[in-house]
Amino acid sequence: DAKTTQPTSMDCAEGRAANLPCNHSTISGNEYVYWYRQIHSQGPQYIIHGLKNNETNEMASLIITEDRKSSTLILPHATLRDTAVYYCIVRVNDQAGTALIFGKGTTLSVSS
Amino acid sequence: GAVVSQHPSRVICKSGTSVKIECRSLDFQATTMFWYRQFPKQSLMLMATSNEGSKATYEQGVEKDKFLINHASLTLSTLTVTSAHPEDSSFYICSADYRDSHSPLHFGNGTRLTVT
Repeated sequence: DAKTTQPTSMDCAEGRAANLPCNHSTISGNEYVYWYRQIHSQGPQYIIHGLKNNETNEMASLIITEDRKSSTLILPHATLRDTAVYYCIVRVNDQAGTALIFGKGTTLSVSS
Repeated sequence: GAVVSQHPSRVICKSGTSVKIECRSLDFQATTMFWYRQFPKQSLMLMATSNEGSKATYEQGVEKDKFLINHASLTLSTLTVTSAHPEDSSFYICSADYRDSHSPLHFGNGTRLTVT
């Protein structure tokens, strides 16, 4: 079972920041938080991941609370092409080859 | 960056026939690959974990004799849907473990299977 809880859907205006929350209150100390998104009829696309520090890359920022029980994915300037289902996943990042277990995700709709 | 190629992207087959789907890691060696299935308006469901040179590990409820997985090399895993039925129609997606503890899993673009 997925260990995360996300809102079912969110709306965002084009050009504004999209803040997608995720709860992972049972996260273990060695589990990372991963974010992927899936545009219709495509494979999931990796966005970002982190352990406890905030992370930023060219796509997004990841803010993880100090207790690590929740996180927020921030798309700083959403575009229409960011409309997708966003998945927050916790996973042990080790050498054993652990699968990603997907929850229902958040459907983000960006409109002009 | 790491790329996973999946082929074919779409396939239509008749009921009772078998279909093979290939998953390749193009620029890295993947000791472990994962196969998922996704029905319309649902999330991805893990079907099996494929390890190079050994038998795949199937998730509960997934028939291993129906969904044959072969991982004969570090860059190729195949999923064969045997004796396909209309209820097997789905979106099948593979992913590969990059084997670097700081890198995420990478996904193929999926295969849309339609069984008529």
